[in-house]
Amino acid sequence: NAGVTQTPKFQVLKTGQSMTLQCAQDMNHNSMYWYRQDPGMGLRLIYYSASEGTTDKGEVPNGYNVSRLNKREFSLRLESAAPSQTSVYFCASTWSGRTDTQYFGPGTRLTVL
Amino acid sequence: AQTVTQSQPEMSVQEAETVTLSCTYDTSENNYYLFWYKQPPSRQMILVIRQEAYKQQNATENRFSVNFQKAAKSFSLKISDSQLGDTAMYFCAFMKASNSGYALNFGKGTSLLVTP
Repeated sequence: NAGVTQTPKFQVLKTGQSMTLQCAQDMNHNSMYWYRQDPGMGLRLIYYSASEGTTDKGEVPNGYNVSRLNKREFSLRLESAAPSQTSVYFCASTWSGRTDTQYFGPGTRLTVL
Repeated sequence: AQTVTQSQPEMSVQEAETVTLSCTYDTSENNYYLFWYKQPPSRQMILVIRQEAYKQQNATENRFSVNFQKAAKSFSLKISDSQLGDTAMYFCAFMKASNSGYALNFGKGTSLLVTP
């Protein structure tokens, strides 16, 4: 089992460029999440998907869109990147049933110049 | 909304000693989960320990244990016999119990340094 995987691991963008961060899990989890981590801060929720076919905004959704492509995959898109979106992005998943422990991917470090 | 406060931005402990990291939270919920996550320099978020609010018994995982005081809304982490590999950021997190998969609310973290 690979667990939660994220691509890419690193990315540098120019202001105004767009990109999609990919996340996949092989644990048959129902719920998936996107967080961002900024220096001196804990992780903050951007969007989540409680189950396949549903998505909801979290604490900091502005400037982002998401797609729950299927049960395994949950992507995060930046349509027009801004320097304020420079951050480390984490994807996580959970079964939402027997246990609510979230399992995290390795993160993507994004820099917007 | 739930808030999680970690009042110790940085802590240091000598190898083999015991250290306690503090966490308080604010919620009106009665049923929830609490977690401690470790983030080493590799950046990976690793679950250390979890506690269900309805359980009075404090959770324990090997050298890691918690002191859960529900009335005081306090959830501290004790690391016994500290090891150099325990050096990391530690995040306290809160989750409301639900079958629909609510997200975690994180504190700002405590940076722990274990010295030889």
